[in-house]
Amino acid sequence: GAVVSQHPSRVICKSGTSVKIECRSLDFQATTMFWYRQFPKQSLMLMATSNEGSKATYEQGVEKDKFLINHASLTLSTLTVTSAHPEDSSFYICSAKDLGTEAFFGQGTRLTVV
Amino acid sequence: AQTVTQSQPEMSVQEAETVTLSCTYDTSENNYYLFWYKQPPSRQMILVIRQEAYKQQNATENRFSVNFQKAAKSFSLKISDSQLGDTAMYFCAFMIEYGNKLVFGAGTILRVKS
Repeated sequence: GAVVSQHPSRVICKSGTSVKIECRSLDFQATTMFWYRQFPKQSLMLMATSNEGSKATYEQGVEKDKFLINHASLTLSTLTVTSAHPEDSSFYICSAKDLGTEAFFGQGTRLTVV
Repeated sequence: AQTVTQSQPEMSVQEAETVTLSCTYDTSENNYYLFWYKQPPSRQMILVIRQEAYKQQNATENRFSVNFQKAAKSFSLKISDSQLGDTAMYFCAFMIEYGNKLVFGAGTILRVKS
């Protein structure tokens, strides 16, 4: 299957700082990318959907000013957690799909805010 | 809105035995796709099997097969000859035809015991 690379896999940041997570589709053009948040032993919670070159669509309850999503090219989307707080600590997962039906997932990023 | 229900939070099975994970969904759509994803301890999401709603034949991938009952809106996953590497969290997911978003169930933690 196609490969989606997510970086970094782990990051620790201080409260009040911003952290950026990258999601790259390595061997296909991702017309749509998705960002999820996952708490331990729980399901994936969709945060936002982004299409290349346009603004992301955020799910209800997700603060768009806190979780900035950029999808500037067909192979790269970034999630920036701004002014991070300990409650933002979580596992973040991206996925990408082209015009087909299958979504491909990145390895995930464990964010710890101290 | 579509919903996906997995009623078994945790299950265990002896190595080499067969186990079935349940999934029901609710939708008013006629054409859609159903998926089972596996999330092992590494937390990488892996597609196990997919089913197109317009296909009557149940999908099969090696030791993994589904029982798709469209009228009952049921989509169970059968794992035959369970292996230790099958230990993971399993998510049932739904996507409408020409859609983008995956709707996930709550997940089932499966433990394969030696």
